[in-house]
Amino acid sequence: AQSVTQPDIHITVSEGASLELRCNYSYGATPYLFWYVQSPGQGLQLLLKYFSGDTLVQGIKGFEAEFKRSQSSFNLRKPSVHWSDAAEYFCAVGSSTDNTDKLIFGTGTRLQVFP
Amino acid sequence: KAGVTQTPRYLIKTRGQQVTLSCSPISGHRSVSWYQQTPGQGLQFLFEYFSETQRNKGNFPGRFSGRQFSNSRSEMNVSTLELGDSALYLCASSLEASGGDTQYFGPGTRLTVL
Repeated sequence: AQSVTQPDIHITVSEGASLELRCNYSYGATPYLFWYVQSPGQGLQLLLKYFSGDTLVQGIKGFEAEFKRSQSSFNLRKPSVHWSDAAEYFCAVGSSTDNTDKLIFGTGTRLQVFP
Repeated sequence: KAGVTQTPRYLIKTRGQQVTLSCSPISGHRSVSWYQQTPGQGLQFLFEYFSETQRNKGNFPGRFSGRQFSNSRSEMNVSTLELGDSALYLCASSLEASGGDTQYFGPGTRLTVL
């Protein structure tokens, strides 16, 4: 069965520091992979997605993620965090073999940014 | 282009009542999916509709149902509400529900069951 693990429930960084949020997935084939961000009281906004091709994916707001098949990982990175990046981040896996939009989400990582 | 809209944004009901939530997808999008978000269970898939047909359903009891209209707008209904149904209900839309489409999420409806 498909699953997504985000090992870090809560991460705190200083503004300007680099960031890496971890995501591991379980899926039979090469999955579609997504990172979403959710600010308090808001819906989900797509940061980036991986379908195929280049394993380093660039997203919005200066985020990037790298797909590593051997490690079943899709970690999100940002070189310099801004205070406005404080939010909850969700990794998700979608099916690359079925005609469906169904996403399996991880439990999320809450990012806190100190000035 | 307007984003995904959900109405109402907030709702308070009592146990045993029923509720209907509405989702209007982005213009031209034919696929609508629904998710339930709770602190304990996280984000869970409820169901997916494409061209008025339910294509996929999550592991929720029959009290949860939905439908999609010819204009792609979707509604979900929860009957005989329980305290545990308190959640943020998110709707997402995409063009074709091929899995490779980008899904756009609405702001959600916050349901509180007393």
